[in-house]
Amino acid sequence: EIVLTQSPDTLPLSPGETATLSCRASQSVYSAYLAWYQQKPGQAPRLLIYGASSRATGIPDRFSGSGSGTDFTLTISRLEPEDFAVYYCQHYGSSLRTFGQGTKLQIK
Amino acid sequence: QVHLVQSGAEMKKPGASVKVSCKASGYTFTSFLIHWVRQAPGQGLEWMGIINPSGGSPTFAQKFQGRVTMTTDTSTSIVYVELSSLRSDDTAMYYCARDWGCTNGFCPLEYWGQGTLVTVSS
Repeated sequence: EIVLTQSPDTLPLSPGETATLSCRASQSVYSAYLAWYQQKPGQAPRLLIYGASSRATGIPDRFSGSGSGTDFTLTISRLEPEDFAVYYCQHYGSSLRTFGQGTKLQIK
Repeated sequence: QVHLVQSGAEMKKPGASVKVSCKASGYTFTSFLIHWVRQAPGQGLEWMGIINPSGGSPTFAQKFQGRVTMTTDTSTSIVYVELSSLRSDDTAMYYCARDWGCTNGFCPLEYWGQGTLVTVSS
């Protein structure tokens, strides 16, 4: 089973700044099967990025994903107040899907 | 449009079982895989398993092997997850989620149910 480790656990930033979130896999994964989700309090997660770098429908271009092998990054530019949430990466390329533990993006 | 509507909150005692349902609508039920994901209070997402409503055996995360059952009812477009031998650390929000349909079965999760809170307490 692939283990995904996200860093940092908490990221304090201000609106307008750029957030860089990391997701590291315990073994190399095919980038086509790496997704990022956003979750706000009291809500179900929402798909942001799939295939490591493709934005899901309706996701602003402030959100971008990159990476390959074992290291993946979610970048959020020009942070808006509604972007402060918890972000999870997920590997979905094997019969056993896994999530990272999450990064909480909070207002500084 | 696609909707996944889950059953209501449950309160169970340790050692009991719980069965949560997820009713799908707005698409062809047998064409998309359904996943179950849970989230303990204040914690992260935990993938539990996956089932294909068109048939075949479900796949479970190792930690749930032997304690979880996933079934579907194609006549009503409902997916069920049942967890037995409940412990206090099974207290969590349980979500069903649908992938967006890929030929190889490996897709991200596009639609989510509203969640069902299961509380395990004596």
